[in-house]
Amino acid sequence: AQSVTQLGSHVSVSEGALVLLRCNYSSSVPPYLFWYVQYPNQGLQLLLKYTSAATLVKGINGFEAEFKKSETSFHLTKPSAHMSDAAEYFCAVSGGKTSYDKVIFGPGTSLSVIP
Amino acid sequence: DADVTQTPRNRITKTGKRIMLECSQTKGHDRMYWYRQDPGLGLRLIYYSFDVKDINKGEISDGYSVSRQAQAKFSLSLESAIPNQTALYFCATSDGDRPQHFGDGTRLSIL
Repeated sequence: AQSVTQLGSHVSVSEGALVLLRCNYSSSVPPYLFWYVQYPNQGLQLLLKYTSAATLVKGINGFEAEFKKSETSFHLTKPSAHMSDAAEYFCAVSGGKTSYDKVIFGPGTSLSVIP
Repeated sequence: DADVTQTPRNRITKTGKRIMLECSQTKGHDRMYWYRQDPGLGLRLIYYSFDVKDINKGEISDGYSVSRQAQAKFSLSLESAIPNQTALYFCATSDGDRPQHFGDGTRLSIL
């Protein structure tokens, strides 16, 4: 079975500062991992995904995430926060391609960017 | 135009009423999903469908039913709505090997 935890339901950063959103997962099989972003009054959009290729994954809008098997982590980072990054971020896991449809979402982290 | 369209976007109704939420897509994907989103719980899968003849229960299907009327249409029904079904509902699609594409959601309030 798979599960996801996200440390911090709310994170605030100053504009231009590093963004770090934490995600830890558990999986009984090699996982596929995802980060999604949700802007107000919209559905989720995929930021990036890990599918057992490179451990450092680059996504849209300058975000990247590193898969660390030893730490069972997939933290999301961005070197310099923009005001437009304020949104809800969800980490998600599935048990690989064969169970891709059974994507389990974390509870989400709300990111605020302070001018 | 949106690839995944949900109607209505907002609905307020009373306990015991039957409610239908509709989803249509123009992406040509075979797979469609219904999720509900609650604060602090993320998204939880209600039902999913691999094609018109294949419908499956998700994590929290009790109190819900679905209908896949065509490849492009997947509707969610609450036969007798109750207040704890108040939530934000999302429809999504995928072609099985690509990220799921989400609609903009339906905010449902049950009084």
